[in-house]
Amino acid sequence: GENVEQHPSTLSVQEGDSAVIKCTYSDSASNYFPWYKQELGKRPQLIIDIRSNVGEKKDQRIAVTLNKTAKHFSLHITETQPEDSAVYFCAASMGSSASKIIFGSGTRLSIRP
Amino acid sequence: GAGVSQSPSNKVTEKGKDVELRCDPISGHTALYWYRQSLGQGLEFLIYFQGNSAPDKSGLPSDRFSAERTGGSVSTLTIQRTQQEDSAVYLCASSLETSGRGYEQYFGPGTRLTVT
Repeated sequence: GENVEQHPSTLSVQEGDSAVIKCTYSDSASNYFPWYKQELGKRPQLIIDIRSNVGEKKDQRIAVTLNKTAKHFSLHITETQPEDSAVYFCAASMGSSASKIIFGSGTRLSIRP
Repeated sequence: GAGVSQSPSNKVTEKGKDVELRCDPISGHTALYWYRQSLGQGLEFLIYFQGNSAPDKSGLPSDRFSAERTGGSVSTLTIQRTQQEDSAVYLCASSLETSGRGYEQYFGPGTRLTVT
């Protein structure tokens, strides 16, 4: 079926350390993999995305890696700050035209001061 | 410009009643999605519209749920004979297109539905 699995469900890291969130997807035709950040009581917002023609993308302290063979992709946040505390969702495009966006179950990231 | 808007922001209804939730996407966005988010949970895909194509309804949890999109713009999600398990935040998102650089989804603020 069309499925995105995300781990861990909760993650607590010391401020300044790195955080890694991992996702796997079921559809080998998936070609677009966004990551969204949702702060408490707010709507999800895109923080970074990657397409299947590249293996890694970086934007300042955030990076995403993609392994299409293994159907894995990961979010890496370096030098974590208190404002990084939020729920993070991975997603993948699926369906007959690979345009339906299916989300993982989310990771609640807490940054300890 | 204006983002995605949804109405009402909150809806409390009695079990068994029908409800309609509205989504106004960003002007010019061809793709529109509905998701459901239960408290502390992830984003559950419900339905997806792309241009004039037939919608992908594969995520609708039962035949009590339906949605339409009129004129390629405004969308309404209807839940008939509401049940307590329908209580959740219903999020709408739109994107410019579904290929190339237009994939990014912009979410609305959501409608919080409470079924008593």
